[in-house]
Amino acid sequence: EAQVTQNPRYLITVTGKKLTVTCSQNMNHEYMSWYRQDPGLGLRQIYYSMNVEVTDKGDVPEGYKVSRKEKRNFPLILESPSPNQTSLYFCASSRGDRVYEQYFGPGTRLTVT
Amino acid sequence: AQSVSQHNHHVILSEAASLELGCNYSYGGTVNLFWYVQYPGQHLQLLLKYFSGDPLVKGIKGFEAEFIKSKFSFNLRKPSVQWSDTAEYFCAVNGVRDDKIIFGKGTRLHILP
Repeated sequence: EAQVTQNPRYLITVTGKKLTVTCSQNMNHEYMSWYRQDPGLGLRQIYYSMNVEVTDKGDVPEGYKVSRKEKRNFPLILESPSPNQTSLYFCASSRGDRVYEQYFGPGTRLTVT
Repeated sequence: AQSVSQHNHHVILSEAASLELGCNYSYGGTVNLFWYVQYPGQHLQLLLKYFSGDPLVKGIKGFEAEFIKSKFSFNLRKPSVQWSDTAEYFCAVNGVRDDKIIFGKGTRLHILP
Protein backbone atom coordinates (compact mmCIF):
# COMPACT_ATOMS: atom_id res chain seq x y z
CA GLU A 1 0.00 0.00 0.00
CA ALA A 2 1.31 3.40 -1.01
CA GLN A 3 1.74 5.53 2.06
CA VAL A 4 3.63 8.14 4.01
CA THR A 5 4.37 7.18 7.59
CA GLN A 6 5.38 9.41 10.46
CA ASN A 7 6.66 8.59 13.92
CA PRO A 8 5.82 9.30 16.59
CA ARG A 9 2.18 10.28 16.14
CA TYR A 10 2.06 12.08 19.47
CA LEU A 11 4.92 13.56 21.44
CA ILE A 12 5.09 15.64 24.58
CA THR A 13 8.50 17.00 25.45
CA VAL A 14 10.21 19.77 27.36
CA THR A 15 11.91 22.90 26.14
CA GLY A 16 15.42 22.31 24.87
CA LYS A 17 15.33 18.54 24.56
CA LYS A 18 16.35 17.55 21.05
CA LEU A 19 13.88 15.46 19.12
CA THR A 20 13.45 13.90 15.70
CA VAL A 21 10.23 13.14 13.87
CA THR A 22 10.72 10.53 11.20
CA CYS A 23 9.00 10.44 7.83
CA SER A 24 9.15 7.64 5.32
CA GLN A 25 7.44 7.04 1.97
CA ASN A 26 7.29 3.90 -0.14
CA MET A 27 6.35 5.45 -3.48
CA ASN A 28 9.85 6.30 -4.71
CA HIS A 29 8.90 9.96 -4.69
CA GLU A 30 11.56 12.54 -5.37
CA TYR A 31 9.84 15.38 -3.54
CA MET A 32 9.27 15.43 0.20
CA SER A 33 8.14 18.22 2.45
CA TRP A 34 7.33 19.13 6.04
CA TYR A 35 4.44 21.36 7.08
CA ARG A 36 3.11 22.59 10.34
CA GLN A 37 -0.59 23.22 10.85
CA ASP A 38 -1.78 25.77 13.39
CA PRO A 39 -5.33 27.02 14.02
CA GLY A 40 -6.09 30.06 11.91
CA LEU A 41 -2.77 29.83 10.08
CA GLY A 42 -3.42 26.79 7.92
CA LEU A 43 -0.52 24.80 6.54
CA ARG A 44 2.88 26.39 6.42
CA GLN A 45 5.84 24.75 4.77
CA ILE A 46 8.93 24.25 6.92
CA TYR A 47 11.40 22.55 4.58
CA TYR A 48 11.25 20.61 1.39
CA SER A 49 13.51 18.36 -0.63
CA MET A 50 13.55 17.84 -4.36
CA ASN A 51 15.75 14.77 -4.12
CA VAL A 52 18.49 13.08 -2.12
CA GLU A 53 20.91 15.59 -0.60
CA VAL A 54 18.81 18.49 -1.97
CA THR A 55 16.88 20.44 0.65
CA ASP A 56 15.52 23.96 0.78
CA LYS A 57 13.78 26.25 3.23
CA GLY A 58 10.06 26.73 3.17
CA ASP A 59 8.19 29.60 4.75
CA VAL A 60 8.93 28.87 8.43
CA PRO A 61 12.28 27.06 8.70
CA GLU A 62 13.58 28.70 11.88
CA GLY A 63 14.23 26.21 14.67
CA TYR A 64 14.12 23.18 12.38
CA LYS A 65 16.58 21.05 10.48
CA VAL A 66 16.10 18.31 7.94
CA SER A 67 18.21 15.80 6.08
CA ARG A 68 17.66 13.68 3.01
CA LYS A 69 20.29 10.97 2.93
CA GLU A 70 17.98 8.40 1.39
CA LYS A 71 15.15 8.90 -1.04
CA ARG A 72 12.50 7.36 1.17
CA ASN A 73 13.29 9.18 4.44
CA PHE A 74 13.04 12.83 5.40
CA PRO A 75 13.41 13.34 9.15
CA LEU A 76 12.54 16.61 10.85
CA ILE A 77 14.91 17.60 13.64
CA LEU A 78 14.24 20.09 16.41
CA GLU A 79 17.60 20.74 18.05
CA SER A 80 16.21 22.82 20.90
CA PRO A 81 12.41 22.77 20.88
CA SER A 82 10.47 25.71 22.28
CA PRO A 83 6.79 26.05 23.21
CA ASN A 84 6.04 27.99 20.03
CA GLN A 85 6.85 24.83 18.11
CA THR A 86 3.86 23.11 19.66
CA SER A 87 1.88 22.19 16.56
CA LEU A 88 0.58 19.47 14.28
CA TYR A 89 3.22 18.42 11.79
CA PHE A 90 2.64 16.77 8.44
CA CYS A 91 5.10 15.13 6.14
CA ALA A 92 4.20 14.85 2.46
CA SER A 93 5.72 13.40 -0.69
CA SER A 94 5.11 13.52 -4.41
CA ARG A 95 6.68 12.84 -7.75
CA GLY A 96 9.19 15.51 -8.64
CA ASP A 97 7.12 16.66 -11.61
CA ARG A 98 3.88 16.64 -9.61
CA VAL A 99 4.55 18.57 -6.44
CA TYR A 100 0.93 19.66 -6.46
CA GLU A 101 -0.25 16.09 -5.92
CA GLN A 102 1.22 15.49 -2.51
CA TYR A 103 0.49 12.47 -0.37
CA PHE A 104 0.31 13.38 3.27
CA GLY A 105 1.28 11.41 6.32
CA PRO A 106 -1.07 11.01 9.28
CA GLY A 107 0.48 13.85 11.25
CA THR A 108 2.49 14.19 14.44
CA ARG A 109 1.05 16.21 17.29
CA LEU A 110 3.91 17.80 19.19
CA THR A 111 3.57 19.56 22.52
CA VAL A 112 6.56 21.39 23.97
CA THR A 113 6.19 22.44 27.60
CA ALA B 1 4.00 38.03 -3.17
CA GLN B 2 2.47 34.63 -3.75
CA SER B 3 -0.51 33.98 -1.56
CA VAL B 4 -3.81 32.19 -1.28
CA SER B 5 -6.76 33.74 0.49
CA GLN B 6 -9.78 31.82 1.67
CA HIS B 7 -12.72 34.04 2.47
CA ASN B 8 -14.31 32.15 5.33
CA HIS B 9 -12.60 30.56 8.28
CA HIS B 10 -15.65 28.73 9.54
CA VAL B 11 -18.85 27.81 7.71
CA ILE B 12 -21.86 26.09 9.25
CA LEU B 13 -24.58 24.65 7.01
CA SER B 14 -27.49 22.29 7.32
CA GLU B 15 -27.60 19.08 5.32
CA ALA B 16 -28.82 19.53 1.73
CA ALA B 17 -27.77 23.17 1.66
CA SER B 18 -25.63 24.37 -1.21
CA LEU B 19 -22.00 25.16 -0.57
CA GLU B 20 -19.59 27.66 -2.02
CA LEU B 21 -16.18 28.26 -0.48
CA GLY B 22 -14.24 31.20 -1.82
CA CYS B 23 -10.58 31.15 -2.78
CA ASN B 24 -8.50 33.88 -4.38
CA TYR B 25 -4.84 33.71 -5.21
CA SER B 26 -2.04 36.05 -5.99
CA TYR B 27 0.65 34.68 -8.23
CA GLY B 28 2.69 36.13 -11.08
CA GLY B 29 2.44 33.52 -13.79
CA THR B 30 0.59 30.44 -14.91
CA VAL B 31 -0.75 28.38 -12.06
CA ASN B 32 -2.17 25.05 -11.12
CA LEU B 33 -4.96 25.18 -8.56
CA PHE B 34 -6.17 22.65 -6.02
CA TRP B 35 -8.54 21.96 -3.23
CA TYR B 36 -7.50 19.62 -0.45
CA VAL B 37 -9.78 18.22 2.24
CA GLN B 38 -8.92 17.12 5.77
CA TYR B 39 -11.59 15.06 7.51
CA PRO B 40 -11.55 15.06 11.32
CA GLY B 41 -8.53 13.19 12.61
CA GLN B 42 -7.23 12.42 9.15
CA HIS B 43 -4.54 13.76 6.88
CA LEU B 44 -5.02 15.95 3.84
CA GLN B 45 -6.32 14.46 0.62
CA LEU B 46 -6.52 15.97 -2.80
CA LEU B 47 -10.13 16.82 -3.63
CA LEU B 48 -9.72 18.24 -7.12
CA LYS B 49 -7.23 20.00 -9.34
CA TYR B 50 -7.08 22.40 -12.25
CA PHE B 51 -4.22 22.57 -14.73
CA SER B 52 -5.67 23.94 -17.95
CA GLY B 53 -8.63 23.58 -20.28
CA ASP B 54 -12.19 23.53 -19.04
CA PRO B 55 -12.30 25.96 -16.09
CA LEU B 56 -14.98 23.91 -14.39
CA VAL B 57 -13.40 20.88 -12.78
CA LYS B 58 -15.11 18.05 -10.99
CA GLY B 59 -13.67 16.21 -8.06
CA ILE B 60 -14.64 13.42 -5.77
CA LYS B 61 -17.84 13.25 -3.72
CA GLY B 62 -19.79 15.65 -5.92
CA PHE B 63 -17.49 18.64 -5.45
CA GLU B 64 -16.59 20.96 -8.27
CA ALA B 65 -14.60 24.15 -8.62
CA GLU B 66 -14.54 26.91 -11.18
CA PHE B 67 -11.41 28.77 -12.21
CA ILE B 68 -12.12 32.39 -13.14
CA LYS B 69 -8.86 33.79 -14.41
CA SER B 70 -10.00 37.42 -14.50
CA LYS B 71 -10.89 37.24 -10.82
CA PHE B 72 -7.95 35.08 -9.74
CA SER B 73 -10.47 32.83 -8.09
CA PHE B 74 -11.03 29.11 -7.71
CA ASN B 75 -14.19 28.65 -5.67
CA LEU B 76 -15.31 25.26 -4.45
CA ARG B 77 -18.95 24.27 -4.80
CA LYS B 78 -21.30 21.45 -3.98
CA PRO B 79 -25.05 21.62 -4.72
CA SER B 80 -26.16 19.61 -1.68
CA VAL B 81 -23.89 18.93 1.27
CA GLN B 82 -23.97 15.93 3.56
CA TRP B 83 -23.06 15.53 7.19
CA SER B 84 -19.99 13.54 6.08
CA ASP B 85 -18.65 16.66 4.32
CA THR B 86 -17.74 18.08 7.71
CA ALA B 87 -14.03 18.77 7.31
CA GLU B 88 -11.46 21.46 6.80
CA TYR B 89 -10.89 22.55 3.21
CA PHE B 90 -7.69 24.07 1.89
CA CYS B 91 -7.25 25.89 -1.37
CA ALA B 92 -3.73 25.71 -2.82
CA VAL B 93 -1.77 27.11 -5.74
CA ASN B 94 1.40 26.01 -7.47
CA GLY B 95 3.22 27.75 -10.29
CA VAL B 96 3.62 25.49 -13.29
CA ARG B 97 7.40 25.80 -13.01
CA ASP B 98 7.47 25.99 -9.25
CA ASP B 99 8.68 23.39 -6.82
CA LYS B 100 6.40 24.32 -3.97
CA ILE B 101 2.73 24.58 -3.28
CA ILE B 102 1.15 27.36 -1.26
CA PHE B 103 -1.85 26.61 0.91
CA GLY B 104 -4.58 28.91 2.10
CA LYS B 105 -5.38 29.07 5.80
CA GLY B 106 -8.27 26.69 5.46
CA THR B 107 -12.04 26.82 5.91
CA ARG B 108 -13.65 24.69 8.56
CA LEU B 109 -16.97 23.37 7.30
CA HIS B 110 -19.45 22.04 9.82
CA ILE B 111 -22.60 20.34 8.53
CA LEU B 112 -25.54 20.06 10.90
CA PRO B 113 -27.46 16.78 10.60
